[in-house]
Amino acid sequence: GAVVSQHPSWVICKSGTSVKIECRSLDFQATTMFWYRQFPKQSLMLMATSNEGSKATYEQGVEKDKFLINHASLTLSTLTVTSAHPEDSSFYICSTTGWGSYEQYFGPGTRLTVT
Amino acid sequence: SQKIEQNSEALNIQEGKTATLTCNYTNYSPAYLQWYRQDPGRGPVFLLLIRENEKEKRKERLKVTFDTTLKQSLFHITASQPADSATYLCAYPRTNSGYALNFGKGTSLLVTP
Repeated sequence: GAVVSQHPSWVICKSGTSVKIECRSLDFQATTMFWYRQFPKQSLMLMATSNEGSKATYEQGVEKDKFLINHASLTLSTLTVTSAHPEDSSFYICSTTGWGSYEQYFGPGTRLTVT
Repeated sequence: SQKIEQNSEALNIQEGKTATLTCNYTNYSPAYLQWYRQDPGRGPVFLLLIRENEKEKRKERLKVTFDTTLKQSLFHITASQPADSATYLCAYPRTNSGYALNFGKGTSLLVTP
């Protein structure tokens, strides 16, 4: 399966600042990547689908101006949390699907804490 | 609206026993279901996919069943080991033409020696 990395693995930022999270597909050209958010003891919630070279598709209730997604190459998608607030503190995870398969390969996740 | 439920938040079993986890879905007929393992502070890891026309799928000590009449999938771990302790997530496609997934809340499995 595809190997996916995320950077950073954890980040602490002050309220009002912006944070960028990188998701890289290390051994696979990912035309599509997914961004999820997971609160403690909760399920993964899909935030957006990121397509290489085009605009991301956001899920209902996710502010596209707050969570900026860029998928400029087949190996890199970035999620920028702008003007972060404490309620944005969460575990952010990206994934991609393998070639011709439905299973998803996830990155290790990024723990964001906004103080 | 589509809904997926994993009926137990937590399951404790003794080493060597078979763990059985349940996933129920409503208001939808998914073409397949997937099961993932998630360890604390880590991203999920894919385990098994079962299609609607498959009754059962196996991989080593893992077995998944898919009952489209009951709208239920069962996930079994036989001869469980403490290393199997983790949260197990059930997932199905949001639409049968795409790849995005809906996930259940997960069942936290604890296998004690």
